[in-house]
Amino acid sequence: AQSVAQPEDQVNVAEGNPLTVKCTYSVSGNPYLFWYVQYPNRGLQFLLKYITGDNLVKGSYGFEAEFNKSQTSFHLKKPSALVSDSALYFCAALGSSASKIIFGSGTRLSIRP
Amino acid sequence: SQTIHQWPATLVQPVGSPLSLECTVEGTSNPNLYWYRQAAGRGLQLLFYSVGIGQISSEVPQNLSASRPQDRQFILSSKKLLLSDSGFYLCAWRERTSGKGYEQYFGPGTRLTVT
Repeated sequence: AQSVAQPEDQVNVAEGNPLTVKCTYSVSGNPYLFWYVQYPNRGLQFLLKYITGDNLVKGSYGFEAEFNKSQTSFHLKKPSALVSDSALYFCAALGSSASKIIFGSGTRLSIRP
Repeated sequence: SQTIHQWPATLVQPVGSPLSLECTVEGTSNPNLYWYRQAAGRGLQLLFYSVGIGQISSEVPQNLSASRPQDRQFILSSKKLLLSDSGFYLCAWRERTSGKGYEQYFGPGTRLTVT
């Protein structure tokens, strides 16, 4: 069965420090991987994706993510956190032979001033 | 560019009343369409998806139903709402043709409260 795991319900980081939100996946075939952000009472916003090529992908708002095939991980990173980055973050995966994107349970990121 | 609309934005309905939520997509053709429910600001539960007009796949048996009367219109319905139907309902779309993106795009959501 395909699955996406976000092992941390919440991540707390001080403003200006680097942040990492973890994600591991299990899908059949080559994975297509995504990160989304959700602000309160809003829909999910697409941040970035990995389809093929360079393992480090860059996305919106200064976020980036690193694809690691051997560890089946796709962690979200940002070198310097902002208070405005505080939100709910979802990792998602699509197997190359699948029709539905699988979402993780979400990680709440809290950036303290 | 593509745009996805959902309405209404918020809805308060009594138990036992009917429900109709609408989602429309602009700027694309033949999209895959999806309905999700999110409870308590956490995980997403896929309710229905559609790969074409009149084609609906149900993921979770419940008192909800979905229809796709037009290519870019997706409707979520219920004949009689339950308290447990309360939540944040999200519509999403994705290009159907492989190689054209793969990611899903979400609408602004509808907050449903059943009283």
